[in-house]
Amino acid sequence: QQQVKQSPQSLIVQKGGISIINCAYENTAFDYFPWYQQFPGKGPALLIAIRPDVSEKKEGRFTISFNKSAKQFSLHIMDSQPGDSATYFCAASMDSGAGSYQLTFGKGTKLSVIP
Amino acid sequence: EPEVTQTPSHQVTQMGQEVILRCVPISNHLYFYWYRQILGQKVEFLVSFYNNEISEKSEIFDDQFSVERPDGSNFTLKIRSTKLEDSAMYFCASGPRTSGNTIYFGEGSWLTVV
Repeated sequence: QQQVKQSPQSLIVQKGGISIINCAYENTAFDYFPWYQQFPGKGPALLIAIRPDVSEKKEGRFTISFNKSAKQFSLHIMDSQPGDSATYFCAASMDSGAGSYQLTFGKGTKLSVIP
Repeated sequence: EPEVTQTPSHQVTQMGQEVILRCVPISNHLYFYWYRQILGQKVEFLVSFYNNEISEKSEIFDDQFSVERPDGSNFTLKIRSTKLEDSAMYFCASGPRTSGNTIYFGEGSWLTVV
């Protein structure tokens, strides 16, 4: 029940296209859903995050869509650029009440944006 | 922009040796974490630390692991007797009280056990 399932495993998109990555979760206690971007050899960098009281959040070219009833959320990257080529992880967390907000990560999506 | 810093960036150690990975969280953050990522796999939670004690730990965080905040700035992860399967990238992360869930990761310490 703590799992976050992410798809696809890899994605190839042409420059200027839309990249879409999907995640699904089971635990309805999750209340925070961030997306992280990771370049090879680097740590995950927070990209954008959403809470379940909104259905969409947009920051620049990045948009999270959230469907609470379906327990799904997705990342859309508009006008994808070669510099967006990285591994993207969705994650979920909740307040455990123990002073901790541990993140449960999806398995990641390797995005390649080709010119 | 403040960042989480980790040392060393890469360490090679022999099986059975003790390893200490060091982290300087973002100042004024109150929540501290260690995560690990085995090559090509997802990032996994190890332990969280708040108010000078462990808040939660995963099944991975067994008796071989310990964490410490020896002073006001450092946060360390010790692996007492390393095993081959401990080879991974270890990420330190920290989070501010005001934003609850939001946490920021360091660049990682790559541990190779031979």
